[in-house]
Amino acid sequence: AQSVAQPEDQVNVAEGNPLTVKCTYSVSGNPYLFWYVQYPNRGLQFLLKYITGDNLVKGSYGFEAEFNKSQTSFHLKKPSALVSDSALYFCAVRDDNQAGTALIFGKGTTLSVSS
Amino acid sequence: GAVVSQHPSRVICKSGTSVKIECRSLDFQATTMFWYRQFPKQSLMLMATSNEGSKATYEQGVEKDKFLINHASLTLSTLTVTSAHPEDSSFYICSAPRGGDLYNEQFFGPGTRLTVL
Repeated sequence: AQSVAQPEDQVNVAEGNPLTVKCTYSVSGNPYLFWYVQYPNRGLQFLLKYITGDNLVKGSYGFEAEFNKSQTSFHLKKPSALVSDSALYFCAVRDDNQAGTALIFGKGTTLSVSS
Repeated sequence: GAVVSQHPSRVICKSGTSVKIECRSLDFQATTMFWYRQFPKQSLMLMATSNEGSKATYEQGVEKDKFLINHASLTLSTLTVTSAHPEDSSFYICSAPRGGDLYNEQFFGPGTRLTVL
């Protein structure tokens, strides 16, 4: 069965510092990995995805994520955090053996960036 | 980018009544749409997969007679919460992959907040 773990409920960083939001996954086949961000009372917005190719994926708003197969991780990173990055972040996965199925989401990590 | 809309954005109803939530893909066709439920400060839990022209597929533990799904066209799926009770109060979100590529990113609606009194 597919699963996603986001071990941190909340991450606090100061503006200008680098940020990391952790995600690990479990699938039976090859993973398709996604990061989404949710602002209060708004729908999810796509940040980036890993399907195949380069392990370092660059996405929207300066975010990037690194796929690490040996560690089954897909941590979200940004070199310099902004206060406006404060939001709820979700990691999601789909197994390539599970065609036609929906994404499985982690529980979410609240990112708080202080000025 | 692709847009998915939901209507209404917020609804308050009395216990025992039924509520219909619409999910529309505005600039693309979606043969498949997904319905999620999100509790405060929690993750999205998949409720069902809506398939155009066929019956929806429900996740384990989701009552199909309570949460009726109809995917009447390639741009519209509806979720009807029948005989709603306070425990049905939640944030309901739909999503759709564009272009029929189920491995592509999904586009999410803004959500519908249901409050059952």
